[in-house]
Amino acid sequence: NAGVTQTPKFQVLKTGQSMTLQCAQDMNHEYMSWYRQDPGMGLRLIHYSVGAGITDQGEVPNGYNVSRSTTEDFPLRLLSAAPSQTSVYFCASSLTGIIYEQYFGPGTRLTVT
Amino acid sequence: AQTVTQSQPEMSVQEAETVTLSCTYDTSESDYYLFWYKQPPSRQMILVIRQEAYKQQNATENRFSVNFQKAAKSFSLKISDSQLGDAAMYFCASYTSGTYKYIFGTGTRLKVLA
Repeated sequence: NAGVTQTPKFQVLKTGQSMTLQCAQDMNHEYMSWYRQDPGMGLRLIHYSVGAGITDQGEVPNGYNVSRSTTEDFPLRLLSAAPSQTSVYFCASSLTGIIYEQYFGPGTRLTVT
Repeated sequence: AQTVTQSQPEMSVQEAETVTLSCTYDTSESDYYLFWYKQPPSRQMILVIRQEAYKQQNATENRFSVNFQKAAKSFSLKISDSQLGDAAMYFCASYTSGTYKYIFGTGTRLKVLA
């Protein structure tokens, strides 16, 4: 199993550009989520999904869109990048049964200039 | 609201000694789970230990154990016989099945001194 994969690992954007961060998992996990990690702020939940076709907002959803057309993929779209979105982004997945342990991808470092 | 608070931004421990990292949480749900994750310089998030709220017994994983005080909403992590490889950021997190949300604390950076 590859686990949770994220692409790209690094990205630089100009203000106003859009892009999609890719996330995929091969563990047949129902639950997938996106976080951003900023110094001193920990990980903050952006969006999450409990299954294909179902998404919901987390703590900091503004400026981001998600969709979940398949169980495996959960892309995060930045609609119009802003310097405040400079961060490290993590995707994670888990079962929704008794375990509830999340498996994390390696992260994407995004810089918006 | 679901919150997780880590009040120690940084801790230091001598190699082979024991250290305890603090975490408090708040939730109105009765069905929840608590976790400690480790993030080394590689940035990869690694689960250290988890605790189901309905279990009274404290979880233990080798040198890592928790002190789960449900009434006080406290969930501290004890690392025994600290090793250089334990140096990392440690995040406390909670999950409530009613909200489907994981909430993380701000982290504690652990330094291990040789």
